[in-house]
Amino acid sequence: DQQVKQNSPSLSVQEGRISILNCDYTNSMFDYFLWYKKYPAEGPTFLISISSIKDKNEDGRFTVFLNKSAKHLSLHIVPSQPGDSAVYFCAASVPRGSTLGRLYFGRGTQLTVWP
Amino acid sequence: DVKVTQSSRYLVKRTGEKVFLECVQDMDHENMFWYRQDPGLGLRLIYFSYDVKMKEKGDIPEGYSVSREKKERFSLILESASTNQTSMYLCASSSETVSAYNEQFFGPGTRLTVL
Repeated sequence: DQQVKQNSPSLSVQEGRISILNCDYTNSMFDYFLWYKKYPAEGPTFLISISSIKDKNEDGRFTVFLNKSAKHLSLHIVPSQPGDSAVYFCAASVPRGSTLGRLYFGRGTQLTVWP
Repeated sequence: DVKVTQSSRYLVKRTGEKVFLECVQDMDHENMFWYRQDPGLGLRLIYFSYDVKMKEKGDIPEGYSVSREKKERFSLILESASTNQTSMYLCASSSETVSAYNEQFFGPGTRLTVL
């Protein structure tokens, strides 16, 4: 059973507008959450993370929000640019030493930003 | 910068062949991972390793085996390739002593086609 879920397989947004990608999780032991971005024929690259003790982390155009009570996080991209078109994966980890470094990934959301 | 390299970007094999996918990382990471990515299914963990000669099954280990004889190298083996193993294979590495949130660094991927 998937512990990290991305229920929207795709999202289409106009350039300059906000993109909001959502992620839900079931395991309350997760203590860090990460977003990865993946272009076709390339490996995923780390984008931004958030600790479970925070509710927001910002890095330039990218902001991640965490709602622990709802077990929900979201990635906001403002403003969206055509180069942001990629698959975005949400991932979660449990405290160090307990799962040998494993991350739990969602199935990804394909973001398309059109001019 | 961490570098994870994979032996081939594209590979075509016949059903029943034994296939070796090699992965090398240059940052002395203790953890290494093999995933496959398929449309709509996201990143699925096949095997991972937290130390030389140590291995752990992921979520879909059937039909695969792994080898880690040196810390920097992690090999994925398909003992008898089948068409349903046609996929994008991604290798990753991480270190819990470096990243509190288990950030994984990915290679560029190997697109394997089994005919």
